[in-house]
Amino acid sequence: GENVEQHPSTLSVQEGDSAVIKCTYSDSASNYFPWYKQELGKRPQLIIDIRSNVGEKKDQRIAVTLNKTAKHFSLHITETQPEDSAVYFCAASKNSGTYKYIFGTGTRLKVLA
Amino acid sequence: EAGVAQSPRYKIIEKRQSVAFWCNPISGHATLYWYQQILGQGPKLLIQFQNNGVVDDSQLPKDRFSAERLKGVDSTLKIQPAKLEDSAVYLCASSLDWGPGELFFGEGSRLTVL
Repeated sequence: GENVEQHPSTLSVQEGDSAVIKCTYSDSASNYFPWYKQELGKRPQLIIDIRSNVGEKKDQRIAVTLNKTAKHFSLHITETQPEDSAVYFCAASKNSGTYKYIFGTGTRLKVLA
Repeated sequence: EAGVAQSPRYKIIEKRQSVAFWCNPISGHATLYWYQQILGQGPKLLIQFQNNGVVDDSQLPKDRFSAERLKGVDSTLKIQPAKLEDSAVYLCASSLDWGPGELFFGEGSRLTVL
């Protein structure tokens, strides 16, 4: 079945540095890739998403890139701030009559002040 | 706009006991999902409803888990009998329709099975 691998599992960066989280998916039919941020004890919230017809999408300090050939996509956070500290989940989905989201295992990002 | 409501927030039970979780999605959202999130892992889909019909329950352990969404609004997820490995956060999410788009998650119900 569909599988999504996410790396690294933990990531520590200095405030102001960039952070990159990578995900690889197995099903080449996947065409929608959201990223969710989950702060400690809180619900996951969508921060950015990308569809398979584009290679990159940017929203202020965050961006997502997609390489369909290699079947991987990445989250880039620039100028990191302490409030970026959270667990980030990638997901992949496709239209199989409905959209089912397969989540990665998560990356715990710590931004050190 | 009210978010996805879940209850209870926390539940502790003994193994072999039963438990039920309730979810009220955002008004007008046709699709409802139940996810299981074990500590340190990503959310795993248990069941997905489109209105009041099940569209995917392939990963639901049907010998002990059941779920329903009466009238296409609220949903309940039941575990009977519970096992130690069921200890997890049960997240309910809803989306406007079946297509690709944002999932709105509830705050989750944390289950501890002793």
